[in-house]
Amino acid sequence: GNSVTQMEGPVTLSEEAFLTINCTYTATGYPSLFWYVQYPGEGLQLLLKATKADDKGSNKGFEATYRKETTSFHLEKGSVQVSDSAVYFCALSNSGGSNYKLTFGKGTLLTVNP
Amino acid sequence: KAGVTQTPRYLIKTRGQQVTLSCSPISGHRSVSWYQQTPGQGLQFLFEYFSETQRNKGNFPGRFSGRQFSNSRSEMNVSTLELGDSALYLCASTVQDSYNSPLHFGNGTRLTVT
Repeated sequence: GNSVTQMEGPVTLSEEAFLTINCTYTATGYPSLFWYVQYPGEGLQLLLKATKADDKGSNKGFEATYRKETTSFHLEKGSVQVSDSAVYFCALSNSGGSNYKLTFGKGTLLTVNP
Repeated sequence: KAGVTQTPRYLIKTRGQQVTLSCSPISGHRSVSWYQQTPGQGLQFLFEYFSETQRNKGNFPGRFSGRQFSNSRSEMNVSTLELGDSALYLCASTVQDSYNSPLHFGNGTRLTVT
């Protein structure tokens, strides 16, 4: 079956530090990959996505590249801000083109200190 | 455009009772899916509805059920509540089945079973 493994936090960084959150997956076929972010008291928001190998998703300074050879989709940001503090979820969709059934990782809590 | 709206935000119920949660998708979105979020199990897919039909169901007992109305609004019902049903229940909608149509999540309903 499908599974997503992401580094467990919590991760604590100082403002302007470099961020990497590792994510690897197991799936048959060619899944789509996503990063979602959850701010306190809110639902999940799509941060970025990639639908095929070597695609790079990017948004708000965050980037992730779909690496089929290493089955990875690591999230990176060059300079984090306090406002980036949230829980980050890596997810995949492998439902024949449908995105409604996502398999999520456990989530990584990021805290950025001023 | 209004986002996905879930009501109520918070619920407290007693073991053995039943509960109904409501979700109004983004206007024009016909697919509504439900997820359970707990600290131990993370985010797990419950079921998905499209045009009033359940198309897919996750690995949850029959106590968990749902339905979708002709205006795409959806409800989920949990009967004979157990302590382990305490969770954040998230609803998500998407406009169509496509890799380019990501899920849009509501802020969730926090259910506490005592």
